[in-house]
This record gives sequence, C-alpha cells and structure tokens, in this order.
Amino acid sequence: DAKTTQPTSMDCAEGRAANLPCNHSTISGNEYVYWYRQIHSQGPQYIIHGLKNNETNEMASLIITEDRKSSTLILPHATLRDTAVYYCIVRAPTGANNLFFGTGTRLTVIP
Amino acid sequence: DVKVTQSSRYLVKRTGEKVFLECVQDMDHENMFWYRQDPGLGLRLIYFSYDVKMKEKGDIPEGYSVSREKKERFSLILESASTNQTSMYLCASRRLLRPDTEAFFGQGTRLTVV
Repeated sequence: DAKTTQPTSMDCAEGRAANLPCNHSTISGNEYVYWYRQIHSQGPQYIIHGLKNNETNEMASLIITEDRKSSTLILPHATLRDTAVYYCIVRAPTGANNLFFGTGTRLTVIP
Repeated sequence: DVKVTQSSRYLVKRTGEKVFLECVQDMDHENMFWYRQDPGLGLRLIYFSYDVKMKEKGDIPEGYSVSREKKERFSLILESASTNQTSMYLCASRRLLRPDTEAFFGQGTRLTVV
C-alpha cells in the first residue's frame, strides 16, 4: 500500500472551511484514498473515500488531483466537534486487508 | 445502526496475567482487525482475520494471539501481560467482498498492565 504524508497539526477557525492535505505520490492505479477521523478517546470513524473523481457526502468533500498524487479533505463549515485526528489512507481493493493509519493530522477548531 | 462492540472500555491487569479482549460486530462482516494505538505511533495492526478460524499476523503480533470461532466475534489474547502492552486497543470490521467500503471501529479498550 502507498505511503501517505500529512501535516502533523492544523488549526481552523470555527465556521470556516478546513482543508486537510495528504500526499500519496506513490499511489497505484487501483488504490483508493480513504479518510478517517478519531475524536479523543473514541475509535476511528470513516469519513469518505474515492478513487479518481471528487466525492462529497454529508460530512465532507474529497478532492483528488488529476495525477492522483495528492488529495484534500474539506470540511466546509468546521465546528468544535470536528476537532480530531484525521487519517489519510491509501490502499488497494485486493491484497492485504489491513489498513495502515500512520499518525494523521491533528485538527483543532478554534472558537 | 451498525455496531462494533468491545467488551470493556477500561481494564487494569497485573503483569503475567492472561488477558482476553473481546470484540463483536453485528454487520456480518468477514474481515475483523485488532489494532493498538500509542501516542506518536498511530494505529498499528496486531492481527486480522478474513474468515472464521482464519487469522493473519499484522505488523506487531509478538506477545498476542487471536481467536475467531464465530463470524461475529474476534478475540485478542495476551498470553502473559507485560507493562509494555499497556495501550489503547481498537477492534474493527469490514466487508470482504466490497473492498471499496469502509471499516467500522469499536470504542476501544484502554488496557493498563501494572
């Protein structure tokens, strides 16, 4: 599975958009990009995933660059409850079933 | 509402004890996983299972074993607990035949070995 690189931490003002970047320059053609988040003292929670096209759901939007070497998770109107560690994961649909989480980005939403 | 349930949120055990961490999922998922999470190290995979009685080692299996006797239940066993196994343990499940779908996690078990 491709390795990902994320900033260690980010701040965002409440009500503003939070843009969390992820680099995955070694991604293969069949690998998906997944985003999870972990709020303090809870298990990780799935947010969104994509392969090539941009995706949007009720929680967030995922923008994947045309060359697929990087992506951005967008929380359109961050709230204090979005303060969490956000993990970007890249993996193929076949092969090993494990998910490599890394250390993620700690997002702090500031009032 | 889908659910992955871990039997305990907090556990305190003594060094040398045999410890069982239980995980149950109600989604009929084939894949189940055990991770441990430590500050600065992210989530590290201990073991996973893709079917009943099947298991595969993850990145850090030493000191652990697992049991999957029923599809819905995946147990993590610490044969002889040590202080370096003090950690947050997270169980997850995921459908096998739909590889583009997400994993669901339990709330975690914070284990302290004294």
